[in-house]
Amino acid sequence: GENVEQHPSTLSVQEGDSAVIKCTYSDSASNYFPWYKQELGKGPQLIIDIRSNVGEKKDQRIAVTLNKTAKHFSLHITETQPEDSAVYFCAASISTGGFKTIFGAGTRLFVKA
Amino acid sequence: DTGVSQDPRHKITKRGQNVTFRCDPISEHNRLYWYRQTLGQGPEFLTYFQNEAQLEKSRLLSDRFSAERPKGSFSTLEIQRTEQGDSAMYLCASSRDPILKANVLTFGAGSRLTVL
Repeated sequence: GENVEQHPSTLSVQEGDSAVIKCTYSDSASNYFPWYKQELGKGPQLIIDIRSNVGEKKDQRIAVTLNKTAKHFSLHITETQPEDSAVYFCAASISTGGFKTIFGAGTRLFVKA
Repeated sequence: DTGVSQDPRHKITKRGQNVTFRCDPISEHNRLYWYRQTLGQGPEFLTYFQNEAQLEKSRLLSDRFSAERPKGSFSTLEIQRTEQGDSAMYLCASSRDPILKANVLTFGAGSRLTVL
């Protein structure tokens, strides 16, 4: 079955700096890679996603990159703000016909003002 | 639509008691999922429903766990004879049937279970 590894587990950056979170996956059949943000006391919320037919996707200050050959994907947050502080999860699934989304263990991001 | 609702938000129980959690998904979503999240970990898949049919159960779901979605709308997750190892956040999520689109999950806020 699919296995998703995520690192670092904790990341501390200064406000305005960039943050990068990296994930690897094991199942070559996975073709959909969402990223979720979880704030204290809330469920995970989708912030951006990427499909395997795309190498990069950007939405304002966040971007995701995907390397299918290496089975790596990454989340990049630029110009970090204190409200970006949260736990971020990468995940992998099969977009059509699939039902199981496998999550990484999470990265706790601290943005220091 | 108010999103995915879960009740109760917190439950403290003694070992050996039964507990039940309820999830109300987004109304037009026909897929419903239960995940478990322990401290410092990502959500782990437990089970999923397509309308009222339970189509997949994880090996994590022992015979003390049962989930239902009787009319294809809300779902319940019952844990019988709770153990301390059951202490976790139980997350419910829903999605549209992803015929052409990716399986985008919308999560509720979760039900936190503490077993003493």
